[in-house]
Amino acid sequence: EAGVTQSPTHLIKTRGQQATLRCSPISGHTSVYWYQQALGLGLQFLLWYDEGEERNRGNFPPRFSGRQFPNYSSELNVNALELEDSALYLCASSLSAWYGQAFFGQGTRLTVV
Amino acid sequence: EDQVTQSPEALRLQEGESSSLNCSYTVSGLRGLFWYRQDPGKGPEFLFTLYSAGEEKEKERLKATLTKKESFLHITAPKPEDSATYLCAVLLNRDDKIIFGKGTRLHILP
Repeated sequence: EAGVTQSPTHLIKTRGQQATLRCSPISGHTSVYWYQQALGLGLQFLLWYDEGEERNRGNFPPRFSGRQFPNYSSELNVNALELEDSALYLCASSLSAWYGQAFFGQGTRLTVV
Repeated sequence: EDQVTQSPEALRLQEGESSSLNCSYTVSGLRGLFWYRQDPGKGPEFLFTLYSAGEEKEKERLKATLTKKESFLHITAPKPEDSATYLCAVLLNRDDKIIFGKGTRLHILP
């Protein structure tokens, strides 16, 4: 069974540009979670989607947004990139809206120069 | 303010030397506590979920316990392949938000 897959694995953008990160959950999982893992800060919760709806978001500015598609895959968009947005972005999925046991992808390393 | 603190930040042990990692939390209401293992350059790997004080879960050389204020991850007779960063996270009752600790970097020397 395929795990959570994220693309691209690495992304380099210039300050002010937009970045789009993609996540495919495990088959049958309806919930997708996005996290930012910056150096020295630990994992910070970004967004939670379930059944196509945004259920919750962390303390991030509105330029961090996303969506979940009918096939439960998800996209994270970061607009007006800043140098501090450089981090590993992790996606996780779970069977239902209950976090319970979430499985993580390998992440997308975003570098803003 | 809701907080999750893991200690120590880093721990070096000899192979076979048992120890415990700590995750203490100050939150308004705990719905669940999770332990993950993360290897360099990879996403976290789920280990355990604990829901109530007194609960214990075991997997191979790892055992997780939960009290009203903290959780311990006990590692018995560790092997070099247990070297990783161990992350603790809590799921809040009030708004379903998840807060991660910064992790404990564990290094097991052969």
